[in-house]
Amino acid sequence: SQTIHQWPATLVQPVGSPLSLECTVEGTSNPNLYWYRQAAGRGLQLLFYSVGIGQISSEVPQNLSASRPQDRQFILSSKKLLLSDSGFYLCAWSGGPSNQPQHFGDGTRLSIL
Amino acid sequence: QKEVEQNSGPLSVPEGAIASLNCTYSDRGSQSFFWYRQYSGKSPELIMSIYSNGDKEDGRFTAQLNKASQYVSLLIRDSQPSDSATYLCAVTAYTGGFKTIFGAGTRLFVKA
Repeated sequence: SQTIHQWPATLVQPVGSPLSLECTVEGTSNPNLYWYRQAAGRGLQLLFYSVGIGQISSEVPQNLSASRPQDRQFILSSKKLLLSDSGFYLCAWSGGPSNQPQHFGDGTRLSIL
Repeated sequence: QKEVEQNSGPLSVPEGAIASLNCTYSDRGSQSFFWYRQYSGKSPELIMSIYSNGDKEDGRFTAQLNKASQYVSLLIRDSQPSDSATYLCAVTAYTGGFKTIFGAGTRLFVKA
């Protein structure tokens, strides 16, 4: 069966520091991969999605970036965090190319001080 | 702008009652419809998928889809306090690639 791993579970970072969140998927090949952010009490905001290695689409202009160095690895990065980057970051995968549902990792709760 | 609308709630129902959660979407070309449950502080968990008009039942959950009215609903029978969560509706359409839009969610409280 397929599993998705996301770490760390929680992270506290100072303003202006860099960020790297990692997500890996097991049990499937060539998945579609997604990064979302969820502010407290709000809906899901799609940040990036990828349909293959090195293929990244950005949905919202911001100081974040994403990379997919391997088929089942997706990384979210920032060179300099802002207070507004606080939130719950979720990685998800879906079988592609298809209209199959997305499956989420456990998420990373990021607090910026 | 493609949209998925849900009543934010909270929807409060007594234990054992039927909870009815509703979702409307704007893109007539939408093909796939999903319901997720999200407990506070946790990630969304897929509970139902529906692709064609009509009802789909899975245990205490029934998803209903009406493409003509652009409406999808989730019924939870015999609601339990453990069903208290936020329920997210998600809709996928093909616009040069499959794209999924999530609603903001409806908070459900089941009172013991």
